[in-house]
Amino acid sequence: AQSVTQLDSHVSVSEGTPVLLRCNYSSSYSPSLFWYVQHPNKGLQLLLKYTSAATLVKGINGFEAEFKKSETSFHLTKPSAHMSDAAEYFCVVTLYSSASKIIFGSGTRLSIRP
Amino acid sequence: EAGVAQSPRYKIIEKRQSVAFWCNPISGHATLYWYQQILGQGPKLLIQFQNNGVVDDSQLPKDRFSAERLKGVDSTLKIQPAKLEDSAVYLCASSALWGGNTIYFGEGSWLTVV
Repeated sequence: AQSVTQLDSHVSVSEGTPVLLRCNYSSSYSPSLFWYVQHPNKGLQLLLKYTSAATLVKGINGFEAEFKKSETSFHLTKPSAHMSDAAEYFCVVTLYSSASKIIFGSGTRLSIRP
Repeated sequence: EAGVAQSPRYKIIEKRQSVAFWCNPISGHATLYWYQQILGQGPKLLIQFQNNGVVDDSQLPKDRFSAERLKGVDSTLKIQPAKLEDSAVYLCASSALWGGNTIYFGEGSWLTVV
């Protein structure tokens, strides 16, 4: 069975410091993994996705994530946080060969301190 | 490329009234989703269409919610009669049938039931 666990419901960092948002998954098959960002009063925007190509995936706005099969993790990182990064982040897993099973993590709220 | 279009963006209705939301997916996307997102929570799948057929509607409250995608393109989600707990954002999303299954979201339709 597939599942996604976002290990932190809330992360707070200072502007200019690194960001780490953690995501662990469980899947019996080759998964596709995604990170979406949701700013207040907005829809979900795709940050990046992993679909069995390179394990280090670069996304928009300086974010990247590394797929580690041995650790079943897909953590999201950014070297230097910006105030505009304050938002809700969702880790999502789907089966590569089908869009019929889509599992959302519970979300991590990222706050940025000036 | 145009994104997923939704309307209306905001709606306030009284309980027991009805409301309808419209969604136009990205051109050529066979799969269309309706999600409900209650404030502070992750999106919950209400219904998934593949072309004009229903793939998954297991979490759709069928006594009050209905959705259709008659020509396999745009879709309408209706709530009748509305309850206070239906206050949420209704997100429409679409994806191509194959190719990594990235899901693209609209900006959402914000419903307040008073």
